[in-house]
Parts: sequence; structure tokens; C-alpha cells
Amino acid sequence: QSALTQPRSVSGSPGQSVTISCTGTSSDVGAYNFVSWYQQHPGKAPKLMIYDVNKRPSGVPDRFSGSKSGNTASLTISGLQAEDEADYYCCSFAGSHTFVFGTGTRVTVL
Amino acid sequence: QLQLQESGPGLVKPSETLSLTCTVSGGSISNSDFYWVWVRQPPGKGLEWIGSVSYTGSAYYSPSLKSRVTISVDTSKNQFSLKLTSVTAADMAVYYCTRRVYTSGIVFRGDFDYWGQGTLVIVSS
Repeated sequence: QSALTQPRSVSGSPGQSVTISCTGTSSDVGAYNFVSWYQQHPGKAPKLMIYDVNKRPSGVPDRFSGSKSGNTASLTISGLQAEDEADYYCCSFAGSHTFVFGTGTRVTVL
Repeated sequence: QLQLQESGPGLVKPSETLSLTCTVSGGSISNSDFYWVWVRQPPGKGLEWIGSVSYTGSAYYSPSLKSRVTISVDTSKNQFSLKLTSVTAADMAVYYCTRRVYTSGIVFRGDFDYWGQGTLVIVSS
């Protein structure tokens, strides 16, 4: 079970869109629609932003959206805002009640 | 509002056993819709899923940690616990407890919706 691969960092200006990729295998991301995304500000606990590939929990702005194609899932932040600057982690179910997280992506708002 | 709170020693000696407890408040741990999970994050690094347990005690572990990990549940105290044996410097991390949503109505899910604040465990002699 290897960590899912994410870009180390992405950046964008306020109001722009950024997309973070999350690449796994046919045993995790490609096999299940149980991909979730977490936002983590420095020194804080992760916060659920997207679940089941593209569903938003109550209270998460609709600027955040998720998708999946094959073994790669993606998180898009539209209309980037200063408070979106954080680390983002994807996570996938990997069968038999196990999970694997992504390597993490630092989003910088220029 | 559900709350999770980690507790346990912040310093563990190499080769000894790390023991942490997560206390759940604002809801019952005895609910078949959820699993109770441990996740860790070494300083400056990413998140790692350690394992999970149901309220009935069914536990599942990361293959890479399986030989050293035990996760258990105490429904009478609304708590679940983590034990990690033979720790090394590589086990130094912030340890989070979190709740996995297993079912929502008749639909299966696989995400972590409530998190504790995390507790830093240092491994040092």
C-alpha cells in the first residue's frame, strides 16, 4: 500500500482556479468511489472537504469540487481565496476496511 | 456536536509501547454507522492511516504497521485506544483520532468527518 501521489505544491492568484491531482492504482482510487479530500491549516487537524469523489459536506463552499477519472482523482478550487491557503490531502479506500492517504499538496494564494 | 480528544504520554522511550486513548463526547461510540480511527502525521510530513475499530471490537490495520498495532474499544467509557509496540524515532508524530463514516442511511461511505485536535508523541530516551 503506497501513498497516493499528489503534486508537492500548486499556486494561484485570488479568484483563479487551481486543480490538485491524486494518482493511485487500480486497487484504490481506480477501484472505489470512496475518495475524500482534507484541508489542513498549519497546526490544525484536517477538515473534510469532499467525500465520495464529488460530494461536499454541509458548510463546505461550493468553490470546492471533486472528480475522478480512472486511477486519478482531482480537487478543484474555483475562485481562490486567501483562506484556501493550506495543505490538502486526498484519501482513498483500498479494500478490506483499509485506507491510504495522498502525499499532500501545499496550495499557495499569490 | 461530536468531539474527540486524544490523551496519553507525550514522551515514549525507544523500544517501548506507545499508548493513546481517544474519548468521544457528544455522541455514542456504540453506533454501527461509524468506525473509530487513528491517523498519524510525522512532523512536516503527510497523513498516514494507522487503523480502525468498530464498536463491536472488529479492528483493521495498515499492512505496514499491522505487526505492532492494536486498536481496541471500551464502549462503557465511550473511548477507543491505540497501542504501538517497539517504537522508534520513525514513530514520532502527531496522532489524531477520527471517525470514519461507514454507512449513511443505506449507502456505504469511506471518509473521516470528525477529528480530534491531535497529540504529539516524541520518541526519545
